[in-house]
Amino acid sequence: AQSVTQLGSHVSVSEGALVLLRCNYSSSVPPYLFWYVQYPNQGLQLLLKYTSAATLVKGINGFEAEFKKSETSFHLTKPSAHMSDAAEYFCAVTTGTASKLTFGTGTRLQVTL
Amino acid sequence: EPEVTQTPSHQVTQMGQEVILRCVPISNHLYFYWYRQILGQKVEFLVSFYNNEISEKSEIFDDQFSVERPDGSNFTLKIRSTKLEDSAMYFCASSGGGANTGELFFGEGSRLTVL
Repeated sequence: AQSVTQLGSHVSVSEGALVLLRCNYSSSVPPYLFWYVQYPNQGLQLLLKYTSAATLVKGINGFEAEFKKSETSFHLTKPSAHMSDAAEYFCAVTTGTASKLTFGTGTRLQVTL
Repeated sequence: EPEVTQTPSHQVTQMGQEVILRCVPISNHLYFYWYRQILGQKVEFLVSFYNNEISEKSEIFDDQFSVERPDGSNFTLKIRSTKLEDSAMYFCASSGGGANTGELFFGEGSRLTVL
């Protein structure tokens, strides 16, 4: 069985500040890890994915995440927050195509002036 | 860019009524999923579908739920007798497998309100 834990249901940063959203995973086999973003009243959009290639993964909108096996983590970062980054962010894990994608509880990112 | 489309975007129904939510996955994808998100809560897996049969389902997906791929393009979720607690946003997703292992493409969702 696989699972992800997102620390912090709500994160607030100032515009231009570093964004750090935390995700830890649990999986009995090598995982595939994802970050999805959900803007208000919209569906889920893939930000980035880790599928056993490079451990530092770059995604859209300037986001990146680093897979750290020793820490079972896949934290999402962005050097400089923008107002348009305000959304709900979900970390997710799967063990392969035939396996379901399991989501974390989500972190709501607020960006203030 | 190919996308997953869902209809209706919003449906209001009375408790006990049957509801069918429709999805058109990306055309060359092989794996199909339904997820739901109750307001303010996390996205929950309902069911996955591959090769014309259910490959996995959650404990939420009980006998009142069913899925079908009636033709080569549509993928439907039927709720036979809706309950108040079925009110949620339902997301359809599809995946192509191969190099995109595990990457799901989601539709915009169908909001179901049960009164």
